[in-house]
Amino acid sequence: EAGVAQSPRYKIIEKRQSVAFWCNPISGHATLYWYQQILGQGPKLLIQFQNNGVVDDSQLPKDRFSAERLKGVDSTLKIQPAKLEDSAVYLCASASRQGMNTEAFFGQGTRLTVV
Amino acid sequence: KQEVTQIPAALSVPEGENLVLNCSFTDSAIYNLQWFRQDPGKGLTSLLLIQSSQREQTSGRLNASLDKSSGRSTLYIAASQPGDSATYLCAVRNDKLIFGTGTRLQVFP
Repeated sequence: EAGVAQSPRYKIIEKRQSVAFWCNPISGHATLYWYQQILGQGPKLLIQFQNNGVVDDSQLPKDRFSAERLKGVDSTLKIQPAKLEDSAVYLCASASRQGMNTEAFFGQGTRLTVV
Repeated sequence: KQEVTQIPAALSVPEGENLVLNCSFTDSAIYNLQWFRQDPGKGLTSLLLIQSSQREQTSGRLNASLDKSSGRSTLYIAASQPGDSATYLCAVRNDKLIFGTGTRLQVFP
């Protein structure tokens, strides 16, 4: 079974530029999460999808962050414009069903550096 | 709002010691609790998953327990090795998957 795929692995951009991250979850997984992990901290949930619908985006800075999950499979997370404090690792995870006793699987993450 | 706390934040021990990492959560209405390992610059590797109806799970030298009513979980690492050095994260799942702050473990030879 293939794992969660994320790209790119690393990205360096200047502040005020735009950036997009891509995530391909495990086949058949309906639930998809995006997390932001700042150095030295635990991952913070940004947005959660169930199929192609948003379940929770209460901690997503909507003035600059957006995310979509077309057709309930792949997902993209975009930042526009980026700020220095957006430097972090962005993690994508998937699980087979929301609110069930199932395991969540994580991708390798995208490390973003904003200079 | 679910809050997850891990103690200690950092731990440095000599090789061979048995360790206990702690995780506490404020809302006991969870479906499961997962322990992860994270190596520097890497993603998260799932170590153990405990369902809400279970009391513990074991994998090799790792044993995780869950006391849902008191909002606590512990990860026990037996006979620690330098290769166990990493950050250990717990996460609780209800409708969301919420992480703790992590314990950074260093095992020295």
